[in-house]
Amino acid sequence: DAKTTQPPSMDCAEGRAANLPCNHSTISGNEYVYWYRQIHSQGPQYIIHGLKNNETNEMASLIITEDRKSSTLILPHATLRDTAVYYCIVRVAGANQGGKLIFGQGTELSVKP
Amino acid sequence: GAVVSQHPSWVICKSGTSVKIECRSLDFQATTMFWYRQFPKQSLMLMATSNEGSKATYEQGVEKDKFLINHASLTLSTLTVTSAHPEDSSFYICSALTGVGEAFFGQGTRLTVV
Repeated sequence: DAKTTQPPSMDCAEGRAANLPCNHSTISGNEYVYWYRQIHSQGPQYIIHGLKNNETNEMASLIITEDRKSSTLILPHATLRDTAVYYCIVRVAGANQGGKLIFGQGTELSVKP
Repeated sequence: GAVVSQHPSWVICKSGTSVKIECRSLDFQATTMFWYRQFPKQSLMLMATSNEGSKATYEQGVEKDKFLINHASLTLSTLTVTSAHPEDSSFYICSALTGVGEAFFGQGTRLTVV
């Protein structure tokens, strides 16, 4: 079963930052937090992942609380093309340990002009 | 990121026939691949884990005789929906794990059974 809780939907104005929260209160010490997004009728796209430190890449930033029980994905300047369902997943990572990705319901982000 | 390709992107078949969907890792070898099914307005549901050179592991409630999985090489896994019926109409998505355990997804296959 999914181990994460996300709000079902959020709106964001184009050009503003989109902050998507995720609760994962039962996360284990060896589990990473992964974020994927799915644009309508496409396969999920990897965004970012982290263990305990904050992470940033060209797509987004990931902020993980110190107790690791929650995290926030930040899209710094949302565009209309960022409209998608965003999934937060916790899993074990690494060679020979790549755990299954179990998807919850995700957050449907609508970026509006 | 790594590239995973599915074929076909969409398929329409008659009830009672079988349909094969291919999942290829184009620029890496994948010992493990996953198959998902997604109904409209719902999340992805994991169907099975495909392991190269061995039998697939199916999730609870997924009929292994109906959804045949073959992972004959390190770059190819196939899902065959046997004796398809309209209720099997869905969006099927595969995912492949890289050597360091990162997962990348195919673009999905839309199956419509008429």
